Amino acid sequence: ETGVTQSPTHLIKTRGQQVTLRCSSQSGHNTVSWYQQALGQGPQFIFQYYREEENGRGNFPPRFSGLQFPNYSSELNVNALELDDSALYLCASSDGTGGPQHFGDGTRLSIL
Amino acid sequence: AQSVTQPDIHITVSEGASLELRCNYSYGATPYLFWYVQSPGQGLQLLLKYFSGDTLVQGIKGFEAEFKRSQSSFNLRKPSVHWSDAAEYFCAVGAMDDYKLSFGAGTTVTVRA
Repeated sequence: ETGVTQSPTHLIKTRGQQVTLRCSSQSGHNTVSWYQQALGQGPQFIFQYYREEENGRGNFPPRFSGLQFPNYSSELNVNALELDDSALYLCASSDGTGGPQHFGDGTRLSIL
Repeated sequence: AQSVTQPDIHITVSEGASLELRCNYSYGATPYLFWYVQSPGQGLQLLLKYFSGDTLVQGIKGFEAEFKRSQSSFNLRKPSVHWSDAAEYFCAVGAMDDYKLSFGAGTTVTVRA
């Protein structure tokens, strides 16, 4: 089975720009979650999508938004980038039946 | 609100020695508990999980963890570490009806020869 894949691997943006990160979930998984991991910290929950609907959100402003597609792949969009948005963004998928989340290798976003 | 505390920021252990990483959680209901490992520049790999049943759970790479409800703990152990176990370890807690995980700040494990 294929695992969770994220693209791009690395990205450099400047303040005020917009960015889109992509995630392909593991085969058979209908739930996708996004996390932000700042340097030296644990991942922080951004939001989760279940069958194309947002299913919960962490303490992140509205400029963080997402989409889930019919094939369960997902996008994370961040508008008006700030320096503090520099982090590793992790995508995780799960099968919606109580199974654990499986993580991709992340996208490293650097804001200059 | 759910939260996780990993009291040890950094642990150094000799190769072949035993390892124990501490995790304390705060959660109002029955928790789902996880341990993940992260190597530099990579994502998180699931080591083991506890949902219910036997409080001693076995995971991959020779790791095990014990759930102690009375102590709100879920400590990770390995009897004999290998140099390849050097990594960042994260404990996480989630709810039974959703999968929004709360992570601890992590423990960095260094293995010396």
